[in-house]
Amino acid sequence: GENVEQHPSTLSVQEGDSAVIKCTYSDSASNYFPWYKQELGKRPQLIIDIRSNVGEKKDQRIAVTLNKTAKHFSLHITETQPEDSAVYFCAAYFGNTPLVFGKGTRLSVIA
Amino acid sequence: GAVVSQHPSRVICKSGTSVKIECRSLDFQATTMFWYRQFPKQSLMLMATSNEGSKATYEQGVEKDKFLINHASLTLSTLTVTSAHPEDSSFYICSARETERGGLYNEQFFGPGTRLTVL
Repeated sequence: GENVEQHPSTLSVQEGDSAVIKCTYSDSASNYFPWYKQELGKRPQLIIDIRSNVGEKKDQRIAVTLNKTAKHFSLHITETQPEDSAVYFCAAYFGNTPLVFGKGTRLSVIA
Repeated sequence: GAVVSQHPSRVICKSGTSVKIECRSLDFQATTMFWYRQFPKQSLMLMATSNEGSKATYEQGVEKDKFLINHASLTLSTLTVTSAHPEDSSFYICSARETERGGLYNEQFFGPGTRLTVL
């Protein structure tokens, strides 16, 4: 089955700096790669996703890149703000298989 | 986006009792629902895939006799933790995909989660 590796596990950045989180996946059939933000005690919230036919997608301060050949995808957050502090999860799946999550990255934005 | 509800949001029970958690898709039909468990400071781990009208598919290491799943309709799946013990204390989250939209890229919608504490 699919296996998703995520790095780093923790990340601290100064407010206004950029944050980058990287994930790799094992199943070349995977074709959907969402990113979730989870605040303490709450459900994961989808913040951006990318399909296998797209290399990059941007939504305001958030961008995701995908390299299918290398089987890795990354989340980029620019101009970070304290409210960006949370745990971020990458995930992958294809077809009707369930989402497989990375282990998460705890992002702390220091004001 | 589509809405998934989960009930109860929080439950505290004594060791040995059974707890039922409901997951509902409120504005869409879901042939398939997923149950995840999340321990503190850890990721979401898939427990089982719930299929409407058929038996659930459990992940390796998850006891099907302990975690009973019933997906009786296209909008409701239930997870029953039988004979709960303190080590079952966790955050349980259900998830569903919309059936009608089909295709390969269906977003997976999450319920708000149920925090189970077994004393």
